[in-house]
Parts: sequence; structure tokens; C-alpha cells
Amino acid sequence: GENVEQHPSTLSVQEGDSAVIKCTYSDSASNYFPWYKQELGKRPQLIIDIRSNVGEKKDQRIAVTLNKTAKHFSLHITETQPEDSAVYFCAARPGGSYIPTFGRGTSLIVHP
Amino acid sequence: GAGVSQTPSNKVTEKGKYVELRCDPISGHTALYWYRQSLGQGPEFLIYFQGTGAADDSGLPNDRFFAVRPEGSVSTLKIQRTERGDSAVYLCASSLSGTLGDEQFFGPGTRLTVL
Repeated sequence: GENVEQHPSTLSVQEGDSAVIKCTYSDSASNYFPWYKQELGKRPQLIIDIRSNVGEKKDQRIAVTLNKTAKHFSLHITETQPEDSAVYFCAARPGGSYIPTFGRGTSLIVHP
Repeated sequence: GAGVSQTPSNKVTEKGKYVELRCDPISGHTALYWYRQSLGQGPEFLIYFQGTGAADDSGLPNDRFFAVRPEGSVSTLKIQRTERGDSAVYLCASSLSGTLGDEQFFGPGTRLTVL
């Protein structure tokens, strides 16, 4: 089955800095890669996703890049704000499967 | 409209007891997922329903875990003879059809504590 590794486990930045979270996956058949944000005690919420036919996708301060050859994808947050503080999860879903595999999460802390 | 809801929000039980966790998906969503999330981990897949049928139950850890969705909407996750290792947050998610790119909407979870 799919295996997703996520790094770092914790990321601490100053407000206004950029943050990058990286994930690797094992199944070359994976073709859908969502990212979720989970605030403390809250439910995970989708913030951005990318399909394998696209190399990069951007939504305001958030962007995701995908390298299919290397089987890794990254989340980029620019101009970080304290409200960006949360745990971020990446996931990968193989084509033909309805089941995403999640990474272990990255705790992002943005210091004012 | 209303999002995914789960009840109870918290459940404390004793080792060996039986528990039921309920999920109300978004109306009209045919795909429903159950996940388990332990502290410091990502959601771990348990079972996936498409309509009333369990399309994939490969994530259920053992035969103490069972889930139903008899009318294709509300789902119940049932755990028999609970063990301390079952303590976790149980998340439910639904999506419109489960196809590629369909966003999964998560519920707030049920925090299960087995004493």
C-alpha cells in the first residue's frame, strides 16, 4: 500500500516568514494529493489539493508543488500569520482507490 | 448547510465494554469514511462506505470493530470488548461521491477514552 512520509514534525517561524512542509510518497500510481489544516481540538479541513497532471497550484498565500519523478510534494505558506498556527497533514491517494493515506502531520507555530 | 456531525463528542468507557459512535454525513453524500487519529498522528483509515455497502473495510484493526450504514446516510462504528489501545479520536468524513478530487469533509470527531 501507499506510504507517506512528512517532514518536519514541528516547524517554528516568525510572523511574516515563509514555511515549507515536505512529503514523500511510495506509490507511483498516486494521483491526488490534498493538504489539510487541523487547529487544536478541531476537525481537519482541506486547504489545497493538487492532481498529478499539474506541477504547481497556488491559492493566495498557499502553494503546493508536486514532483512526480521524485515522488514528493510540498506545501508553501508565505507571509505567515499567527492564525496559520496548526497541524498540517499531507495525503496521497492512488488512482482507482477511494482511500487517502495521510502523513503524520507537521505542527506549525507562527510567533508574533 | 450543516456539516458532518458526530456523537458523542466524548466517550469514556471501561475496558471490556461495548461502544457505539455515530456519524451524520452531509446530506446527499454517498461516500463515508471512518478514521482513527491517535495523538501526534495523521488520520488512519478504518472503513469506507459507498451508499449502504462497505466498499473497503481493510483498515479495521480486528473483528472487534464493525461499522454499518443501513440507509446510506447515518453510520455507526461499533467497538466490542474495548481495550485501552482503542483510545483515540474517531473521525468520520463524507464526500459527494468518493471520486478523484471530491473533497472529504470531516466531522469534529469522537474522543474515546478506555480506562
